[in-house]
Amino acid sequence: GEDVEQSLFLSVREGDSSVINCTYTDSSSTYLYWYKQEPGAGLQLLTYIFSNMDMKQDQRLTVLLNKKDKHLSLRIADTQTGDSAIYFCAEFGAGGSYIPTFGRGTSLIVHP
Amino acid sequence: EAGVVQSPRYKIIEKKQPVAFWCNPISGHNTLYWYLQNLGQGPELLIRYENEEAVDDSQLPKDRFSAERLKGVDSTLKIQPAELGDSAVYLCASSLVGGPTDTQYFGPGTRLTVL
Repeated sequence: GEDVEQSLFLSVREGDSSVINCTYTDSSSTYLYWYKQEPGAGLQLLTYIFSNMDMKQDQRLTVLLNKKDKHLSLRIADTQTGDSAIYFCAEFGAGGSYIPTFGRGTSLIVHP
Repeated sequence: EAGVVQSPRYKIIEKKQPVAFWCNPISGHNTLYWYLQNLGQGPELLIRYENEEAVDDSQLPKDRFSAERLKGVDSTLKIQPAELGDSAVYLCASSLVGGPTDTQYFGPGTRLTVL
């Protein structure tokens, strides 16, 4: 199975909160990332969290990490139409590797 | 500050033809990455350079793929010959020094279609 798993789609109404979930399998992962990809563009790093943290907040973004369940989530408050994009979860550092492993991405659709 | 530049943005070729992609990283970035992104998938690392040295190339299919980073700045990724399954987006990224805490900046990618 995949090392990093995400649901493929999420649809929310503008102004609501969005929560995108991710699970990973390797408990030795040291860094967990969220990237955003807009159509025709490369990936943009949104935020990351160290494995020894359980929460990180950055403006409208809140990352929660449950190491026991190997579950990571990204909450976007007051979701805007400009937030429509594909969001990738990635883990880094498993087994000392410098090769990041990305999930398949969650397509977030924000409608008015 | 200019971001990571890639060219061409789109390329359509027939199978068995060669193709090359070019990447110019952000000035001063020592580490350069080439990723493959298939439709509906996340990026997969093909090769990572520290300056001009390839330090992670275990996922590069060396029978048909090659890469170089002469002088530790620009990089070229080549496929020869291309196969139908090579149709994908090829992303280049760069970072200052590499490693998990160092932000990778991605270019827009080259979308390759092999007919």
